[in-house]
Amino acid sequence: QQQVKQSPQSLIVQKGGISIINCAYENTAFDYFPWYQQFPGKGPALLIAIRPDVSEKKEGRFTISFNKSAKQFSLHIMDSQPGDSATYFCAATGGATNKLIFGTGTLLAVQP
Amino acid sequence: DTAVSQTPKYLVTQMGNDKSIKCEQNLGHDTMYWYKQDSKKFLKIMFSYNNKELIINETVPNRFSPKSPDKAHLNLHINSLELGDSAVYFCASSSGLRKETQYFGPGTRLLVL
Repeated sequence: QQQVKQSPQSLIVQKGGISIINCAYENTAFDYFPWYQQFPGKGPALLIAIRPDVSEKKEGRFTISFNKSAKQFSLHIMDSQPGDSATYFCAATGGATNKLIFGTGTLLAVQP
Repeated sequence: DTAVSQTPKYLVTQMGNDKSIKCEQNLGHDTMYWYKQDSKKFLKIMFSYNNKELIINETVPNRFSPKSPDKAHLNLHINSLELGDSAVYFCASSSGLRKETQYFGPGTRLLVL
């Protein structure tokens, strides 16, 4: 119940396309869902986050869609750029847990 | 200004050796973490300290011993290093007990030969 399942494991998108990464969780007590971006040789950095009281949050080209009933959330990257090429991690926390539960990561490659 | 820093950046050592990794944050946060990222990029929390008190201790071999001398520092000492300890170790910090926005360091790449 503490797991966060993430898919796909890897993703290749053409420049200008839309990148979509999906995550699913089981624990209904989770109330905070961040996405982290990690470039090669760097630490993960918070990209965008959402709470379950809204169904969508947008920051620039990055949008989180949240479906509370399905216990799923996804990251959409509009107009994907080669500079977006990185590993993306979804995560969740809340309720009794005192830690971030990370998904398994998605390696995104945006081809020029 | 570096928010979360780690030393060393790279660590190559022989099996059986003892080594330490240091972490410092200048964000004024009161909670710090150690994560291990394996070759498949999976991020796994190891330990967390809040105000120098250990609050998370995952199933980690007791060869790993964290130490927090103050709120701004969290070190990780590893005894009797094994091949399977090879990974990237990340330090992170956050404010408060809610583990929401965590700021990660650049990582320490450990290779055990």
